[in-house]
Amino acid sequence: NAGVTQTPKFQVLKTGQSMTLQCAQDMNHNSMYWYRQDPGMGLRLIYYSASEGTTDKGEVPNGYNVSRLNKREFSLRLESAAPSQTSVYFCASERTGESTEAFFGQGTRLTVV
Amino acid sequence: LAKTTQPISMDSYEGQEVNITCSHNNIATNDYITWYQQFPSQGPRFIIQGYKTKVTNEVASLFIPADRKSSTLSLPRVSLSDTAVYYCLVGDGGEGYQKVTFGTGTKLQVIP
Repeated sequence: NAGVTQTPKFQVLKTGQSMTLQCAQDMNHNSMYWYRQDPGMGLRLIYYSASEGTTDKGEVPNGYNVSRLNKREFSLRLESAAPSQTSVYFCASERTGESTEAFFGQGTRLTVV
Repeated sequence: LAKTTQPISMDSYEGQEVNITCSHNNIATNDYITWYQQFPSQGPRFIIQGYKTKVTNEVASLFIPADRKSSTLSLPRVSLSDTAVYYCLVGDGGEGYQKVTFGTGTKLQVIP
């Protein structure tokens, strides 16, 4: 059981380049999330998807776009990377039921130079 | 969104019980209290969730007083591997994590 898988794990971009961060979960969860975490800070929500085919903005959506390709996959795209987007990006999926629990991927460490 | 306040850092010796308190004065009726643990270079991991009174699992206990304006995560007999950042979250489990804010957490350092 892989849980939440993110690719790539590391990436260096030049300012203005674009890239897509991939995320996939194999737990059949409806909701998925993208966060960013800057050094010494907590996680900030970029976008989320409550179900396949729906996406909504979180706290810091500017400069990002997302696609919920199917129930398993939720991708995050940087159209024109900026140094301010240097961060660690985490994808998560959410299980509801007896408790509401988020399962996180291992993160993508992105550096924009 | 309910705001949480927790200590920035704590130190503890191995084998001791550690209690981390979180303040959430404006918690709403539907809000649950959830704690996560994060090791360096990893994503956060769920520890425990509760609504009121006391919840215990194999890892930790969560104490919530009747007014629910604070909560305490209790880690029994910590080891060096418990060194991590611990986040207290407050939100409505029924609406998912889009309504939940991760603060800066409490950095726990376990000392040999």
